[in-house]
Amino acid sequence: RKEVEQDPGPFNVPEGATVAFNCTYSNSASQSFFWYRQDCRKEPKLLMSVYSSGNEDGRFTAQLNRASQYISLLIRDSKLSDSATYLCVVYTTEAGTALIFGKGTTLSVSS
Amino acid sequence: EAGVTQSPTHLIKTRGQQATLRCSPISGHTSVYWYQQALGLGLQFLLWYDEGEERNRGNFPPRFSGRQFPNYSSELNVNALELEDSALYLCASSLVVGADTQYFGPGTRLTVL
Repeated sequence: RKEVEQDPGPFNVPEGATVAFNCTYSNSASQSFFWYRQDCRKEPKLLMSVYSSGNEDGRFTAQLNRASQYISLLIRDSKLSDSATYLCVVYTTEAGTALIFGKGTTLSVSS
Repeated sequence: EAGVTQSPTHLIKTRGQQATLRCSPISGHTSVYWYQQALGLGLQFLLWYDEGEERNRGNFPPRFSGRQFPNYSSELNVNALELEDSALYLCASSLVVGADTQYFGPGTRLTVL
């Protein structure tokens, strides 16, 4: 089982749509959770951290369910500029410190 | 404040050659991390340096090595290049040692012919 799994997509949605991405992780000792955004051939950039209580940043809402080892990202009112690959990332200090990345989910928003 | 910088932007090598990639962390950051993003495989952790020492390495063969200099910049060396080493190599740095908040550079795209 892969450490961090995501639906690769692509998700093709019209502007204004609401889209949800899901992610599961295998290591129950994982400590921190993030969503990164990566534009084509660019470096990944931190979109938001994810907490069990859920957190919101404008149109973006992230949620963590530790019991199910499940992370989600909801994007409301999609914009053309939201088109990118969204990476689910888990941080663990077991066996050394590393960010473990999912392969990413590709979103394409069209007008 | 300048971000993480990497050089070169692109690098083309042939099989069996050696590649050297460079990274300068954000000023004040002592930890440097290297990741490989090969097509279809996602980002994979390669190496972590802090205060000039290798602190951890991912599941990569010994021909992937590196070092960190006294000014905290870092170098990644890949020996005996293979075709499957073609990838985007990303460097990240963190203010806190081994922190979960890491800032990425633009990457070096290595192509092995």
